[in-house]
Amino acid sequence: EVQLVQSGAEVKKPGESLKISCKGSGYSFTSYWIGWVRQMPGKGLEWMGIIYPGDSDTRYSPSFQGQVTISADKSISTAYLQWSSLKASDTAMYYCARQDDYVWGSYRAFDYWGQGTLVTVSS
Amino acid sequence: EIVLTQSPGTLSLSPGERATLSCRASQSVSSSYLAWYQQKPGQAPRLLIYGASSRATGIPDRFSGSGSGTDFTLTISRLEPEDFAVYYCQQYGSSSWTFGQGTKVEIK
Repeated sequence: EVQLVQSGAEVKKPGESLKISCKGSGYSFTSYWIGWVRQMPGKGLEWMGIIYPGDSDTRYSPSFQGQVTISADKSISTAYLQWSSLKASDTAMYYCARQDDYVWGSYRAFDYWGQGTLVTVSS
Repeated sequence: EIVLTQSPGTLSLSPGERATLSCRASQSVSSSYLAWYQQKPGQAPRLLIYGASSRATGIPDRFSGSGSGTDFTLTISRLEPEDFAVYYCQQYGSSSWTFGQGTKVEIK
């Protein structure tokens, strides 16, 4: 069974750093892209970036480039999203999601999702 | 960046009725790269439709997707109580993914 299990909720102060995780299981972690999606309170979904754990090739949304860092450790089947200096506006739910892939290619849809990590930034 | 605009913002319908949700793109989108998701309160999104018209694994056949170019539609043929949720379209193009702002389907 494919699963993406994310790390638990975090409460941080502005200016602090943070790294949240997403552990994949039940499939070949190095063969599928993992994306990160932000959902601010009461709002819609925003694509942040995506990484291919096989070679750590990473793409960022222009809106999030330079604001966050996406990485992966394929030895433990885990992807990460990190901030060096949090702001109150980073308060949101963050989801990781696997991009689909078939023998014939990918439809660039996210077929499996983690349960989400709630990040609260408040002084 | 391709912008997806969903309409209506809210759809108020009764169980058993047909729901038609629209997703319009600011420029042409490959049909292969248009997906729809359902999100219920407190849950992660769930993939419903990929490639504009293919149902994901386990998705009931009352959900169907159609469209091409800049206009795409998600249709729920007969609403079940569990279908009341928020629906998002999503596209991929030029190494970038974007989501629409969502349509809420609520009980009338």
